[in-house]
Amino acid sequence: DIQMTQSPSTLSASVGDRVTITCRASQSISSWLAWSQQKPGKAPKVLIYKASSLESGVPSRFSGSGSGTEFTLTISSLQPDDFATYYCQQYNTYWAFGQGTKVEIK
Amino acid sequence: EVQLVESGGGLVKPGGSLSVSCAASGFTFSNAWMSWVRQAPGKGLEWVGRIRSELDGGTTEYAAPVKGRFTISRDDSKNTLYLQMNSLKIEDTAVYYCATGTRGSPDWGQGTLVTVSS
Repeated sequence: DIQMTQSPSTLSASVGDRVTITCRASQSISSWLAWSQQKPGKAPKVLIYKASSLESGVPSRFSGSGSGTEFTLTISSLQPDDFATYYCQQYNTYWAFGQGTKVEIK
Repeated sequence: EVQLVESGGGLVKPGGSLSVSCAASGFTFSNAWMSWVRQAPGKGLEWVGRIRSELDGGTTEYAAPVKGRFTISRDDSKNTLYLQMNSLKIEDTAVYYCATGTRGSPDWGQGTLVTVSS
């Protein structure tokens, strides 16, 4: 089974900061990687799919990069609405998720 | 627009059974591979299992913690996905989401809460 390792688990940042979250797959998943944002009591909201494609309606401050086993989510300028938990997800074979990164207010 | 609406969650005793369903619209359900994902309170996302389209054999795969206890099925005439859960354990308490990657990006339902407690 493919394992997804996401880091950091918690990130403290301020509004306006540039934020980077990384995700590593235990074997190549090509570009079948999505990044989702989740707020308490809500379903995950997909931000990025196929590693670098921005989902419709998602602000352009979110971007994704990588392929194979190493992936990155970048928020160019953190906004108040961005404080949430972020998950990477591989959907190449069976689905698998990273452990999540909670972005907190510094 | 893809819409996935889960229903059927509730409170069940350990060892009991429960079936949840997911009504799909906005895409060709019969062509889609469908998955169930769960999230225990305060925890991360956990893949439960999936079912292929009938065109691709209609076969199922399950995560180890639920294999032999949970069954995923589909009714393409009703555009509905099902999750039958038997021999439920306290650790199965979670929000259960149906999801699909049929358009190249994952789509999620809003989830239904299953609570296993005596």
